Amino acid sequence: DADVTQTPRNRITKTGKRIMLECSQTKGHDRMYWYRQDPGLGLRLIYYSFDVKDINKGEISDGYSVSRQAQAKFSLSLESAIPNQTALYFCATSDLPDSRKGEQFFGPGTRLTVL
Amino acid sequence: QKEVEQDPGPLSVPEGAIVSLNCTYSNSAFQYFMWYRQYSRKGPELLMYTYSSGNKEDGRFTAQVDKSSKYISLFIRDSQPSDSATYLCAMSLYNFNKFYFGSGTKLNVKP
Repeated sequence: DADVTQTPRNRITKTGKRIMLECSQTKGHDRMYWYRQDPGLGLRLIYYSFDVKDINKGEISDGYSVSRQAQAKFSLSLESAIPNQTALYFCATSDLPDSRKGEQFFGPGTRLTVL
Repeated sequence: QKEVEQDPGPLSVPEGAIVSLNCTYSNSAFQYFMWYRQYSRKGPELLMYTYSSGNKEDGRFTAQVDKSSKYISLFIRDSQPSDSATYLCAMSLYNFNKFYFGSGTKLNVKP
């Protein structure tokens, strides 16, 4: 079974709709991240969380919100979707800095299309 | 100016060629440098990581960091069609709180 799972894998929605993307992990990591990937722009950080009570905005948080329901679950919401939020969304986890490896473990991605 | 710049390519090479992928960055506080490989329709996976300046080798892959020039490289020797993927550089401060990614270079190795 995959260590980081994302649901749904693909979603088409309309402008103005509320949508939630879900992420679950079995790696036991405290740190979780949400990124979006656009052609030519790479991965951009939306939100990140170091534990259930510690949530931080990334570089492009406007129009998004998150919820850390448990150590293993981190959800991303688009309150009122707009077409320029069409992108590939990735959830990622990482171990504490003690590993000194800087490795993030990514889910398979959610392809979101906003019409 | 983006903190991490990477040529998006695409880069097309024949099988067996030596490939050089590069990134530049502006934040001199970055201490950890990583290369991720992303196959089509998959999430990125860590390929190499380096702390501070210097070289690191792993099989056909060599990562180089030149902090004085704010420049990092990934070399792939004897490239294989299975190396065809998008390669993303990433960087972090000492605390690993956030990761800063380049835009990725798409590599195609032709048989």
